[in-house]
Amino acid sequence: EVVMTQSPATLSVSPGEGATLSCRANQTISSNLAWYQQTPGQAPRLLIYAASTRATGIPARFSGSGSGTEFTLTISSLQSEDFAVYYCQQYKHWPLAFGGGTKVEIK
Amino acid sequence: EVLLAQSGSEVKKPGESLRISCRGSGYNFASYWIGWVRQTPGKGLELVGIIYPADSDTRYTASFQGQVTISADTSINTAFLQWNSLKASDTAMYYCVRPHRGANFPDTWGQGTLVTVSS
Repeated sequence: EVVMTQSPATLSVSPGEGATLSCRANQTISSNLAWYQQTPGQAPRLLIYAASTRATGIPARFSGSGSGTEFTLTISSLQSEDFAVYYCQQYKHWPLAFGGGTKVEIK
Repeated sequence: EVLLAQSGSEVKKPGESLRISCRGSGYNFASYWIGWVRQTPGKGLELVGIIYPADSDTRYTASFQGQVTISADTSINTAFLQWNSLKASDTAMYYCVRPHRGANFPDTWGQGTLVTVSS
């Protein structure tokens, strides 16, 4: 079973600054990785799939990179609506598996 | 617009049974699998299992096998997640999800159903 590990658990960032979130798989998943954003009281929302492709309607300040076992989500300039929890998810192997999440909070 | 509409919150006692639902609209329901994802503060997001509505083929994550039953009714475009005997540890938010066309990652999520099991 693939285990996804995200770091850091919490990231404190000032509005307008950038943020870099990491996600690691314990075995190779090629580029079969998605990123989701979850705000309080809401379901997760798809941001990125295939490691680097933005989903429909996602602003260009969100970008993803990586392949194999190491992945990164970068938010170039945080807006107020970006403070949320971010999850990575692999879909190469059964079962689909999520990371534990990174909470991006206001510094 | 593709939508997944879930049934409302439930409060149950240990040992009781429960079935929650997820109705799909805006797409051909039989053409995409529907999955259920559990979210808890302690374990985060976990895939419970998926069902292919066209033939009711199901797959469960090992830790949920035998604990729940996933089913679907294509005549009403609805998938179900069922428990025969709830435990306190089943307390969680449950989301139904639909995958992106031709892929295996969810791109559509229901609004969630909160299940609380308490004596």
